Amino acid sequence: DQQVKQNSPSLSVQEGRISILNCDYTNSMFDYFLWYKKYPAEGPTFLISISSIKDKNEDGRFTVFLNKSAKHLSLHIVPSQPGDSAVYFCAASAYNNDMRFGAGTRLTVKP
Amino acid sequence: EAQVTQNPRYLITVTGKKLTVTCSQNMNHEYMSWYRQDPGLGLRQIYYSMNVEVTDKGDVPEGYKVSRKEKRNFPLILESPSPNQTSLYFCASSTSSRDPNQPQHFGDGTRLSIL
Repeated sequence: DQQVKQNSPSLSVQEGRISILNCDYTNSMFDYFLWYKKYPAEGPTFLISISSIKDKNEDGRFTVFLNKSAKHLSLHIVPSQPGDSAVYFCAASAYNNDMRFGAGTRLTVKP
Repeated sequence: EAQVTQNPRYLITVTGKKLTVTCSQNMNHEYMSWYRQDPGLGLRQIYYSMNVEVTDKGDVPEGYKVSRKEKRNFPLILESPSPNQTSLYFCASSTSSRDPNQPQHFGDGTRLSIL
């Protein structure tokens, strides 16, 4: 039972355009959400997070939006760069520190 | 340099032969965790530890053991490995899984193949 779902296994975007990665969750106890980025042969690295008391968090080219009523979050990358090509994991945490990850979306940014 | 170190990085072994994957962090983090990554399933948490001598089951703990005798080390033990435990394993650490200013730091992964 996957409580965090990333329904798009892959996404291809042209350099300079916006990348939008989506994530849905089912557990209403989740109150802290994160995005991690992973390059081949490396561990995931933290990108950006958002608490459930907010609906938006921005860090440079990266913005995460949270829609609690829809149990949906999205990561926007503007403008996309070839170095952004990686697998992006959405993660969610509840009060008991149980961390759940989505299956990941492979983003390819074409020059 | 702040890092999470896993060993070995690669291991091919046979069913039933006990193995241990070590994990060490040099950031004095209280929280440590183990994940496995499988195609289409993403990262699934196996066990986590809030501090020394405190461990809890994650999403998929069956077939695994952990220990946290020291703050810096969090080994993953497979007492009797089976082929369904063939996977890519990641160790991670942070001050807290829920501290927005201190997200988890991951090791580079251990690829286990169990024949």
